[in-house]
Amino acid sequence: DVVMTQSPLSLPVTLGQPASISCRSSQSLVYGDGNTYLTWFQQRPGQSPRRLIYKVSNRDSGVPDRFSGSGSGTDFTLKISRVEAEDVGIYYCMQGTHWSWTFGQGTKVEIK
Amino acid sequence: QVHLVESGGGVVQPGGSLRLSCAASGFTFNKYGIHWVRQAPGKGLEWVTFMRYDGGDKHYADSVKGRFTMSTDNSKNTLYLQMDSLSTEDTAVYYCANDQRGTIDHWGQGTLVTVSS
Repeated sequence: DVVMTQSPLSLPVTLGQPASISCRSSQSLVYGDGNTYLTWFQQRPGQSPRRLIYKVSNRDSGVPDRFSGSGSGTDFTLKISRVEAEDVGIYYCMQGTHWSWTFGQGTKVEIK
Repeated sequence: QVHLVESGGGVVQPGGSLRLSCAASGFTFNKYGIHWVRQAPGKGLEWVTFMRYDGGDKHYADSVKGRFTMSTDNSKNTLYLQMDSLSTEDTAVYYCANDQRGTIDHWGQGTLVTVSS
């Protein structure tokens, strides 16, 4: 299976400051159709996960533009330009290129 | 608006069986498929299984292969996860989630499965 490795696993951030989460895959996530199926989810405490970004950099409707995704091949990043209180939660990357699909371990974002 | 509702969770003894349901609404049921993803208490997300709505394409994680089976009743817009030979390691919240070709776009609220004697 493709191993997804996130870092850091814990990310204390000051309100209004930027935050960055790295996600690395053990194999290239480029599919045969040319797409890269790397997704970012946010899970707030007590809630189901919510998709933020799909295919590396496509932001979902309703997701604030302070969230952005980038990367290629095996190296990906989720950035929050200015962290707000509502951004507290756990962030997961997931690959949908190779069966079985796999998630990163999760990065817990908290306010300092 | 895509809406997914899981049901069927509960407490079961080790070695027992349970069937989860995922009722889907608000979208074309015959497009793509459904995933089950689980989350053990205090742990991260683990992908479990996928089935295309027509039943023609199925995939299972190694941890559940041979024990879990997905099926569908298209007349009811409902998918099922039959879980057999359960162990304590299967204790988790089980989410059904909508496939959107290489990604998941919507999740249900989850149903808790507890395997305990």
